Amino acid sequence: GQQVQQSPASLVLQEGENAELQCNFSTSLNSMQWFYQRPGGSLVSLFYNPSGTKHSGRLTSTTVIKERRSSLHISSSQTTDSGTYLCALGAYKVIFGKGTHLHVLP
Amino acid sequence: DAGVTQTPRHEVAEKGQTIILKCEPVSGHNDLFWYRQTKIQGLELLSYFRSKSLMEDGGAFKDRFKAEMLNSSFSTLKIQPTEPKDSAVYLCASSWTGNTGQLYFGEGSKLTVL
Repeated sequence: GQQVQQSPASLVLQEGENAELQCNFSTSLNSMQWFYQRPGGSLVSLFYNPSGTKHSGRLTSTTVIKERRSSLHISSSQTTDSGTYLCALGAYKVIFGKGTHLHVLP
Repeated sequence: DAGVTQTPRHEVAEKGQTIILKCEPVSGHNDLFWYRQTKIQGLELLSYFRSKSLMEDGGAFKDRFKAEMLNSSFSTLKIQPTEPKDSAVYLCASSWTGNTGQLYFGEGSKLTVL
């Protein structure tokens, strides 16, 4: 079946450092999404990025469908960026990765 | 615009009880999803409706889990009877078919089964 693998599973940064989160998937379906989840919170959509590169503030998402990968770059990390970042693949029947747990230290 | 609304936010049940979780999707969305989230398994799809028709019933969750969508603006997830292993956060999400799957999530219902 379809699989979505995220790496790293967890990441600890000092405030101000950059982060690169990876998502690899087993099929060439489009409709790649990135979500952010605070501890105990719901999922907030960061990017809907089926292909190419998108920017939002300090966040950049790059998806290369033919290489079956997507990345999320966080520049100049802040303590408020701490939480779980999930990538999800597919339209309608969406498959989620297990997430990258990010902890940004002050 | 109102987002996805889920109630209750927290539910505590005794083993064997029946619980009903509720979801109101974003107005105009015609796809509705129920997910279960645990630390071990992550997000697992329970049910998927398109225009009120059940498209996916979650396979392994069929026996005690039943999702219904009686109208386009309201869905319920019934768990009967509950078991301690059902303790999790249940998330509802909706999307507009024409948007090829961009999901909008509710705040979730945290269920604890004693």
